[in-house]
Amino acid sequence: QKEVEQNSGPLSVPEGAIASLNCTYSDRGSQSFFWYRQYSGKSPELIMSIYSNGDKEDGRFTAQLNKASQYVSLLIRDSQPSDSATYLCAVRYGSARQLTFGSGTQLTVLP
Amino acid sequence: GAGVSQTPSNKVTEKGKYVELRCDPISGHTALYWYRQSLGQGPEFLIYFQGTGAADDSGLPNDRFFAVRPEGSVSTLKIQRTERGDSAVYLCASSPNPSGSANEQFFGPGTRLTVL
Repeated sequence: QKEVEQNSGPLSVPEGAIASLNCTYSDRGSQSFFWYRQYSGKSPELIMSIYSNGDKEDGRFTAQLNKASQYVSLLIRDSQPSDSATYLCAVRYGSARQLTFGSGTQLTVLP
Repeated sequence: GAGVSQTPSNKVTEKGKYVELRCDPISGHTALYWYRQSLGQGPEFLIYFQGTGAADDSGLPNDRFFAVRPEGSVSTLKIQRTERGDSAVYLCASSPNPSGSANEQFFGPGTRLTVL
């Protein structure tokens, strides 16, 4: 069974710090990796996608992918209270079109 | 442009009743997905449409669940003989290019289904 594992948290960081969110996945045939942000009572919002090993930066967000270790992470620099949310890691396995999600990591940024 | 829309936003029904949930994807997106999310969990895949046909329905939990997309745009998820365990948020997502490596999916606001 293909799985996506995330530390459920909660993870608390002070405002201005770097928040580091981690995700591991079970299948080496995985193709694409995504980070979604979900505010309480809202639907998931896509914030980053990554397909190749290495880092991908977008503003304050950096996604890191290591396919050999089956590991993907999200760094949030200069964390703001508005970043407080649940962050969902999602993986597209092989030829499948659907995404397999982790259970999410709850992040709280303390002012 | 307009995002994915879903109606109703909330649906309360009684055990044993039939419900329909509607999804209107982003204009031009050919792929449409249904997921459901329980409290404290990530979304779980139900069914995927490419155009009018259900390309993968492996996530549907049983034959009480059915979905259609007759004209390749709006989709309806239908649940017969609802059970209390069906209570969840039902999410719809669409993507422009399902065959590409990206397959970025954009979610609607969801329908919160409560079965009493």
